[in-house]
Amino acid sequence: GQNIDQPTEMTATEGAIVQINCTYQTSGFNGLFWYQQHAGEAPTFLSYNVLDGLEEKGRFSSFLSRSKGYSYLLLKELQMKDSASYLCAVRDLTQAGTALIFGKGTTLSVSS
Amino acid sequence: EAGVTQFPSHSVIEKGQTVTLRCDPISGHDNLYWYRRVMGKEIKFLLHFVKESKQDESGMPNNRFLAERTGGTYSTLKVQPAELEDSGVYFCASSQVTHGDEKLFFGSGTQLSVL
Repeated sequence: GQNIDQPTEMTATEGAIVQINCTYQTSGFNGLFWYQQHAGEAPTFLSYNVLDGLEEKGRFSSFLSRSKGYSYLLLKELQMKDSASYLCAVRDLTQAGTALIFGKGTTLSVSS
Repeated sequence: EAGVTQFPSHSVIEKGQTVTLRCDPISGHDNLYWYRRVMGKEIKFLLHFVKESKQDESGMPNNRFLAERTGGTYSTLKVQPAELEDSGVYFCASSQVTHGDEKLFFGSGTQLSVL
């Protein structure tokens, strides 16, 4: 089976750095994704990790440790527009093939 | 390039009625997925098409749900008859290739309310 855990809510202020953690348990891990979803909109792709280490893309970075079943999304220089839900998802080839398995998402609120 | 579009954006129906949701994937994307998010829960996989063929329908809740993708272009998801527990947001996603870093592009979803 699979279990993906991430915090329900987080708050931060503009200009700050925030780290959103995700832990997972899967049988056939084949990649971890982070998506951003603003209310009422489509989830949009942020990052992909399949090997251990840090992937950096502008203000956003994502880290993966396969041995620990752990990932985090790091958001730097926070802006108000970063207020959204952040979804951690894994691809587990033993579950639903190439489809993604999602966590419940972390709602991030950025205040001025 | 147009993204994944879903219609309708909202649907309110009574228990026992039929509803059909439509998804138009990005042109050229062979893979099409349906997902559902019930309030308070995570987004859950329903099924996966590769072109017009059902690759995996292990997530479909029961036989009241019927998905089709005739011609391998747009897809429909019919719920008949709808029950209260079918309420939620139904997302469609598409991708071009199937391999490890396959990136899914999502539509904005259809909010289904069954009263």
